[in-house]
Amino acid sequence: QSALTQPASVSGSPGQSITISCTGTSSDVGGYNYVSWYQQHPGKAPKLMIYDVSNRPSGVSNRFSGSKSGNTASLTISGLQAEDEADYYCSSYTSSSTDVFGTGTKVTVL
Amino acid sequence: EVQLVESGGVVVQPGGSLRLSCAASGFTFDDYAMHWVRQAPGKGLEWVSLISWDGGSTYYADSVKGRFTISRDNSKNSLYLQMNSLRAEDTALYYCAKRGTEGSGYYSEYWGQGTLVTVSS
Repeated sequence: QSALTQPASVSGSPGQSITISCTGTSSDVGGYNYVSWYQQHPGKAPKLMIYDVSNRPSGVSNRFSGSKSGNTASLTISGLQAEDEADYYCSSYTSSSTDVFGTGTKVTVL
Repeated sequence: EVQLVESGGVVVQPGGSLRLSCAASGFTFDDYAMHWVRQAPGKGLEWVSLISWDGGSTYYADSVKGRFTISRDNSKNSLYLQMNSLRAEDTALYYCAKRGTEGSGYYSEYWGQGTLVTVSS
């Protein structure tokens, strides 16, 4: 049950696009299309942004998109805005019927 | 509106026990599996435990296996986490979360605001 690997930080200027990677193994990310992404602002509970690799829940901006290739999933934020500054976590279902989270990425809007 | 309200977090000594509760409303509780997820101060999210809709299946992170027990009472729309043999490294904000409605369901669609457990002498 090792955590999925994410970059510690990613930054971009307003209007730019950024991509956050999430690397696992064939027992989690690579084995299932069950990757989800969460946004967490300081002092707040996590908020679901993407589920099942690339699906957006109702109410989430279409500036957020997800994809997967092999053992690595990605979250792309396009048209970066100040309100996107937050921590982002990926998560995956695993072959042990458990879940595992990523190490987390701090997004900074310059 | 879906609401998840955790309670029971306190300061407890190492080796002690504690039971967390999560009161659910706004959805058909016994239709969904439920999780506990924790976050140590200044750290990332850690998945802790999952229980199936009927309580018949339970799963645990290696870090809590044998010490924590997840349970639910569908008649009370409540989720629980019994925590025994607590260690300093169990200090965290504990969230309950509801499995998803759309697609696979293998994600956390709604989260509570968390309850803080501090293990310290």
